[in-house]
Amino acid sequence: SQKIEQNSEALNIQEGKTATLTCNYTNYSPAYLQWYRQDPGRGPVFLLLIRENEKEKRKERLKVTFDTTLKQSLFHITASQPADSATYLCALDFTGGGNKLTFGTGTQLKVEL
Amino acid sequence: DGGITQSPKYLFRKEGQNVTLSCEQNLNHDAMYWYRQDPGQGLRLIYYSQIVNDFQKGDIAEGYSVSREKKESFPLTVTSAQKNPTAFYLCASSPGTGKSNTEAFFGQGTRLTVV
Repeated sequence: SQKIEQNSEALNIQEGKTATLTCNYTNYSPAYLQWYRQDPGRGPVFLLLIRENEKEKRKERLKVTFDTTLKQSLFHITASQPADSATYLCALDFTGGGNKLTFGTGTQLKVEL
Repeated sequence: DGGITQSPKYLFRKEGQNVTLSCEQNLNHDAMYWYRQDPGQGLRLIYYSQIVNDFQKGDIAEGYSVSREKKESFPLTVTSAQKNPTAFYLCASSPGTGKSNTEAFFGQGTRLTVV
């Protein structure tokens, strides 16, 4: 079965720095990879989607890379702010469009002043 | 406002009782999903439905049941057969198979506690 690994340890960074979160997966590569933000006690909110034939995607201060050779995605937040503090989940769709998303455990990010 | 609504936000159940969690969406999405989230774990798929009157088991369907009689509604019943039902339950919807925009929209969740 597919396995997704995200760093379970919280990532603490200083305001203004770039946060980099990692998502690794096993077995065959997914058609899509998505990143979500989740705040405590709330449902995840979609941030970015990257397809298997795309190397990089950007949205404002967010950047996602997708390396199917390494089976890894990196999620970057530049110029981080305390409001960016949350848990970030990666989700993989291995079905090629069926939206059967498999989620990682998430990495908690804390941005300190 | 378009969105996906779960109710109730908090639910308490006595052991041996069945409970039903509500999920409604007005996004005209074909696909709907139920996930369970436990502390320190990711979201695990319970059931999903790609079209009205059809649904499939996810990775942890035992002890749960669903129905999809209407496009906008996908209720989840947690039965007494579910051994460890205390968890945070999340409902989601997406446009569906083959649609170009495949992001999932989540509700705010229902926290179920067995007392």
